[in-house]
Amino acid sequence: SQTIHQWPATLVQPVGSPLSLECTVEGTSNPNLYWYRQAAGRGLQLLFYSVGIGQISSEVPQNLSASRPQDRQFILSSKKLLLSDSGFYLCATDRSSYNSPLHFGNGTRLTVT
Amino acid sequence: LAKTTQPISMDSYEGQEVNITCSHNNIATNDYITWYQQFPSQGPRFIIQGYKTKVTNEVASLFIPADRKSSTLSLPRVSLSDTAVYYCLVGDILSSNTGKLIFGQGTTLQVKP
Repeated sequence: SQTIHQWPATLVQPVGSPLSLECTVEGTSNPNLYWYRQAAGRGLQLLFYSVGIGQISSEVPQNLSASRPQDRQFILSSKKLLLSDSGFYLCATDRSSYNSPLHFGNGTRLTVT
Repeated sequence: LAKTTQPISMDSYEGQEVNITCSHNNIATNDYITWYQQFPSQGPRFIIQGYKTKVTNEVASLFIPADRKSSTLSLPRVSLSDTAVYYCLVGDILSSNTGKLIFGQGTTLQVKP
């Protein structure tokens, strides 16, 4: 079965500082990978998805970027954080097959101060 | 992508059966229906998925009428640990990008003792 590792679990960063969140997946190869953000009391917003190494699609314009340097590694970054970047960041994967459910990591709670 | 509508919140008591209905009037022929559960500070977890009629697993049942314009997630004899947010998603079974489905605000289920 698939396992998703996300770290750190919580993070407090000042405005203007850089960000790097990492997600790694075990138990599958060539997965689709996704970054979501969830603001307090809100639904999940899809930020980026990737169907393969070096292939990134952005769903919404924002202060963030994503990279996929290896098949099972997905990184979310920012050069300068904004207050509005605060939220709960979730990495997810499916098996790249039709009708495959999503599996989520445990998320990173980011607070920008 | 078919839009879904669910109640924002529901209350129940331990031991009761809970039914959460999701409306998806614009569901397309190739769309399937998937439900996820999310506890605070965790990623959503897949519960059940179906296309028509009834699907049952060890956690829940999913009832889908013939016109497929709605679906009902049924949780038998809930406990306090079933307190969570429940999301209904509708998407194309021919798509391998499951993660591009839209997570709305979901239904917050509060189970009381």
